[in-house]
Amino acid sequence: QSALTQPPSASGTPGQRVTISCSGSSSNIGSNSVIWYQQLPGTAPKLLIYSNNQRPSGVPDRFSGSKSGTSASLAISGLQSEDEADYYCAAWDDSLNGYSVFGTGTKVTVL
Amino acid sequence: QVQLQESGPGLVKPSETLSLTCTVSGGSISSYHWSWIRQPPGKGLEWIGYIYNIVSTNYSPSLKSRVTISVDTSKNQFSLKLSSVTAADTAVYYCARLVGGYKWGGLIHWGQGTLVTVSS
Repeated sequence: QSALTQPPSASGTPGQRVTISCSGSSSNIGSNSVIWYQQLPGTAPKLLIYSNNQRPSGVPDRFSGSKSGTSASLAISGLQSEDEADYYCAAWDDSLNGYSVFGTGTKVTVL
Repeated sequence: QVQLQESGPGLVKPSETLSLTCTVSGGSISSYHWSWIRQPPGKGLEWIGYIYNIVSTNYSPSLKSRVTISVDTSKNQFSLKLSSVTAADTAVYYCARLVGGYKWGGLIHWGQGTLVTVSS
């Protein structure tokens, strides 16, 4: 039972595009959809993307998700200071009796 | 608007059972997947498990032997019990509700989280 792999950090200047990768395996990302969450300091996570690339109502279209094989990416375009947060990917894993697994998390810093 | 609120002791002794309740307002607990997630201080998120349709449960393989999630429909609440706790179980515990299917949906409604410390 291993977490999905994300880079520990990413950064960019305001207005730039930042991408965060999420690597898994055939039993999780390779078979199921990827979900992305944003966690601002001291707050509960917020759903950004579900079903690989769907945004809940209210999430800006600056956030987009994609998936290919056993990897996925979250892109933040037009980076803003309020985007500075931790970002987590997640997916269902079909192994064992099935369970949900989160990524290791990526801290995005706006320079 | 759906709102979730965790409640329970903030301090639990080692080897004892951690018990938390999540009170749901603005919607019925009889449908949807209701989940528990935890986050040790300074670390990442860990999925604990969910309950669906009042009686169907699924737990993290690493916690399965110690976890029970149940629903009280009369109070519109669901609960988490984690037995034989150690310091490694110290974390902020969140309750949340899924939107969509369990294989492709996301946790869209979250409680604010409650810190549980395991210490004698």
